[in-house]
Amino acid sequence: KQEVTQIPAALSVPEGENLVLNCSFTDSAIYNLQWFRQDPGKGLTSLLLIQSSQREQTSGRLNASLDKSSGRSTLYIAASQPGDSATYLCAVYSGGSYIPTFGRGTSLIVHP
Amino acid sequence: GAGVSQSPSNKVTEKGKDVELRCDPISGHTALYWYRQSLGQGLEFLIYFQGNSAPDKSGLPSDRFSAERTGGSVSTLTIQRTQQEDSAVYLCASSLTGGLPGLAGGQQFFGPGTRLTVL
Repeated sequence: KQEVTQIPAALSVPEGENLVLNCSFTDSAIYNLQWFRQDPGKGLTSLLLIQSSQREQTSGRLNASLDKSSGRSTLYIAASQPGDSATYLCAVYSGGSYIPTFGRGTSLIVHP
Repeated sequence: GAGVSQSPSNKVTEKGKDVELRCDPISGHTALYWYRQSLGQGLEFLIYFQGNSAPDKSGLPSDRFSAERTGGSVSTLTIQRTQQEDSAVYLCASSLTGGLPGLAGGQQFFGPGTRLTVL
């Protein structure tokens, strides 16, 4: 059974810092890995999707990397802003399932 | 509509009562998913509908939980005889065709969720 762990659980940083969120998974036979953002009272918004054949994806100030062999992914946020404050969720698709396994998320606060 | 909508946004009920949660998927999306997010926990899959196929109910935690999807569109998640451990945010998502994201139509779009509190 796939298990997904996200570290840290919570993070508070001053505006402008570069930061790294970590996601690890136990079964390396994954198809896709997806990073989501969740704002309070709102649904999940997809940030980046990395397919199993890819090593990284970039969108603006966000960069996500994937190392299947070690069972890890990182989400790098450059020059953080208060608007980045949210919970970031990692979701892994594995075993041929169309249903992802989610981590518990990292709650990020970026203060001015 | 423009996105997935869910109602009510908040529901407070007493232990033992039945509740119904509603999800309106994006028009034309054939796949619909229900998830539960308990405090401090990751999203937990509950049930998946795809077109006219039999739903995947493998994530339902007990027989008190059921869901239906009428006319291939709106879905209702029903929880009977609610317990305090049912308190959570219930999220609905839809996708154009189901399947894996990264493949055409596999991307899931999430609603804002219903926060259920069982007293």
